[in-house]
Amino acid sequence: DAGVTQSPTHLIKTRGQHVTLRCSPISGHKSVSWYQQVLGQGPQFIFQYYEKEERGRGNFPDRFSARQFPNYSSELNVNALLLGDSALYLCASARGLPYEQYFGPGTRLTVT
Amino acid sequence: GENVEQHPSTLSVQEGDSAVIKCTYSDSASNYFPWYKQELGKGPQLIIDIRSNVGEKKDQRIAVTLNKTAKHFSLHITETQPEDSAVYFCAASKDQAGTALIFGKGTTLSVSS
Repeated sequence: DAGVTQSPTHLIKTRGQHVTLRCSPISGHKSVSWYQQVLGQGPQFIFQYYEKEERGRGNFPDRFSARQFPNYSSELNVNALLLGDSALYLCASARGLPYEQYFGPGTRLTVT
Repeated sequence: GENVEQHPSTLSVQEGDSAVIKCTYSDSASNYFPWYKQELGKGPQLIIDIRSNVGEKKDQRIAVTLNKTAKHFSLHITETQPEDSAVYFCAASKDQAGTALIFGKGTTLSVSS
């Protein structure tokens, strides 16, 4: 079975721009969570979605938003990008809540 | 909120030796403790986890122990191999809807042959 997939793999944006990151969970998984991983640190929780509803939100500004689609895939949107948003953005899927979370390879975002 | 401390930050061992990574957590309500291995350029891979109703869990060369009273848990890797070299993260959560995994800062394990 395919694991969690994320797109794009890498992208470079300019300060002030907007970005959309995409995630497809493991087949049969209904929960998706988003994490931000800054170089040299552990992942930090941004959002959790289950059955298309937001179930949890981390300590991130309103510039960050997300949604989950009927097929359980998800998008993370970040507006008004700042240099500090440069990080690896990870998506994790789970069969439901609470269950083990499996991570995708991430999207490396660089803001210049 | 929950806070997870992880030690050491780096660990170098010879092939065949054992490696131990330790984590402490602050929230006594946390009851799920996974360990992830992250190789360069990849996402974290779940390698083993433990829930608070269990004191120890083993899977081949890896084992995790949990001391709820002291609020700490440890990862043990025996007979280390060069392919065990990676960054290891511990995490804690309440294992219920809407709660996040709270990660430690990671341990870089280097296994030399």
